[in-house]
Amino acid sequence: QVQLVQSGTEVKKPGASVRVSCTTSGYTFNNFVISWLRQAPGQGLEWMGWISTYNTNTNYAPKFQGRLALTADTSTSTAFMELRSLTSDDTAVYYCARDRRGLDYSKPFDYWGQGTLVTVSS
Amino acid sequence: DIQMTQSPSSLSASVGDRVTITCRASQTISTYVNWYQQKPGKAPKLLIYAASTLQGGVPSRFSGSGSGTDFILAISSLQPEDFATYFCQESYSFLQTFGQGTKLEI
Repeated sequence: QVQLVQSGTEVKKPGASVRVSCTTSGYTFNNFVISWLRQAPGQGLEWMGWISTYNTNTNYAPKFQGRLALTADTSTSTAFMELRSLTSDDTAVYYCARDRRGLDYSKPFDYWGQGTLVTVSS
Repeated sequence: DIQMTQSPSSLSASVGDRVTITCRASQTISTYVNWYQQKPGKAPKLLIYAASTLQGGVPSRFSGSGSGTDFILAISSLQPEDFATYFCQESYSFLQTFGQGTKLEI
């Protein structure tokens, strides 16, 4: 079965960077885009960006341009999200999700990781 | 940016009830809408995509409809496991914005 397993909870100081991994299984990694989203405490969901695991092309939401980097390692079927220059506003649960863009026109996120809590605090 | 406005923000219902949740887009978006269910401490789960297509494995009591700016998620006969928060999402724009959520409570 399809699974996305994320790395564990992170606590960071303002100005630091965080890197979250998302290890996939149960499907052909290169056939699907991976998107990253986040959810601040008690808030809604926010899409951050996606990476093509086929050719490593990326696309980022404008608010994250310049401090977000998405990468992928096809040898381990793992995607990574690095967010730099953290502030308290970045405190959230971060999710990776399998993205069906290119397969379904409405580009749904059909499988999700369990989420990684990132807390930014001095 | 496209805004997705869900109503109601919370809803109380009983097992066996039929409920509907509405999502209104700030501009026309054809059928570029997906619906998700989220339980506390868990990741969202895809229920409906392309406004009305049921994701595999999702019970048939869930249905979606609408096009343009107005969309509905319906649950025909509530089961105990359906009490959760529901989000709509537009995938028409680059930002793929989500609604603010509807909390369905017993």
